Amino acid sequence: QVTLRESGPALVKPTQTLTLTCTFSGFSLSTSGMCVSWIRQPPGKALEWLARIDWDDDKYYSTSLKTRLTISKDTSKNQVVLTMTNMDPVDTATYYCARIHPRLYDSSGYYYDYWGQGTLVTVSS
Amino acid sequence: DIQMTQSPSTLSASVGDRVTITCRASQSISSWLAWYQQKPGKAPKLLIYKASSLESGVPSRFSGSGSGTEFTLTISSLQPDDFATYYCQQSWTFGQGTKVEIK
Repeated sequence: QVTLRESGPALVKPTQTLTLTCTFSGFSLSTSGMCVSWIRQPPGKALEWLARIDWDDDKYYSTSLKTRLTISKDTSKNQVVLTMTNMDPVDTATYYCARIHPRLYDSSGYYYDYWGQGTLVTVSS
Repeated sequence: DIQMTQSPSTLSASVGDRVTITCRASQSISSWLAWYQQKPGKAPKLLIYKASSLESGVPSRFSGSGSGTEFTLTISSLQPDDFATYYCQQSWTFGQGTKVEIK
């Protein structure tokens, strides 16, 4: 059974750094073609892709947020970590991690078959 | 970056209606498009991938079509459980969503 769970602070102050952890089970991020992404959704708004890390440790970032994001993985702990620096109230959102299975991935595109339940992060002083 | 534009933004329909949602890409994406359903307070759920492939466990009343720059999601007979927001996705880009409301 595949599960993903996001964890991290519910409240951060402006200018602080946010660290979120995605802990997953039921699959290995060492498997060829397996990837995990972070996606966020401000209240009442659309989904926004943030970053992706692949089984071979390749990393990809949103063009608009690239300078603020770092994604990493700990395969032994089945975790993917996202850090976002210089948080601002506009970064208030529900943050999701989601899996890309090899059957849903190739060089032309990819899709998410399992998602975490999301964690709401509010940025406020 | 590729932009994905959905229409309409909101759709009012009744149980049993046939519903169609459109997603247009700013440039050709071949068949690399997915559709998700999201209910309030929940994570998105994958319905369709590669434009027309039905994800396992998704009811057959959902179907997808299209290629290049224009895609559609069709619900053949709307059920009470289908009132939700639907998003198209091409890799790192999502559409802005279409909310399907009760008429």
